Amino acid sequence: EAGVTQFPSHSVIEKGQTVTLRCDPISGHDNLYWYRRVMGKEIKFLLHFVKESKQDESGMPNNRFLAERTGGTYSTLKVQPAELEDSGVYFCASSSQGVEAFFGQGTRLTVV
Amino acid sequence: AQSVAQPEDQVNVAEGNPLTVKCTYSVSGNPYLFWYVQYPNRGLQFLLKYITGDNLVKGSYGFEAEFNKSQTSFHLKKPSALVSDSALYFCAVRLRGMDSNYQLIWGAGTKLIIKP
Repeated sequence: EAGVTQFPSHSVIEKGQTVTLRCDPISGHDNLYWYRRVMGKEIKFLLHFVKESKQDESGMPNNRFLAERTGGTYSTLKVQPAELEDSGVYFCASSSQGVEAFFGQGTRLTVV
Repeated sequence: AQSVAQPEDQVNVAEGNPLTVKCTYSVSGNPYLFWYVQYPNRGLQFLLKYITGDNLVKGSYGFEAEFNKSQTSFHLKKPSALVSDSALYFCAVRLRGMDSNYQLIWGAGTKLIIKP
């Protein structure tokens, strides 16, 4: 069974540019989560999808971040325009009805 | 505020010795407790979880963790460390009653270095 996959694994962009991260969850998992770890700090929750609906987006830092999950399959997280403080590792996770969620390898975003 | 603390940024252990990575939490109620590991250039991997029952939980790769309710701790342990255990370890909690909402509260991570 394929796990959660994220693209790209690394991205280096200039301040002011736009970047789109993608997450493909495990097939059949209705729940999809985005998290972010800024260098050296704890991992923070960004938002939670149930199928295509946003269940909880309380962790989104500001309106420069836009997440979508059209059709309830893969999800994208767009940052526009990117700022220096957006640098970090963005993790995606998916789960079904169980307690455990499965994580992707993360996308390391560097804004210069 | 609800939080998870991993008091050590880094833990150094000689191969073959026992290891402990500490975690304490401050949340309301009785949460689910987790340990995840991140190997270099890899994603977060689930190690073990505590839901209910026996306070000693066994997980992957020979790791175990002990839940202590009075001390609100969930320390990760292994009797004999391997060099391949070197990685970044995260403790996390999930509040009960949130059904499918997996809004985890995370510690900052502890870098574990096992020296040959």
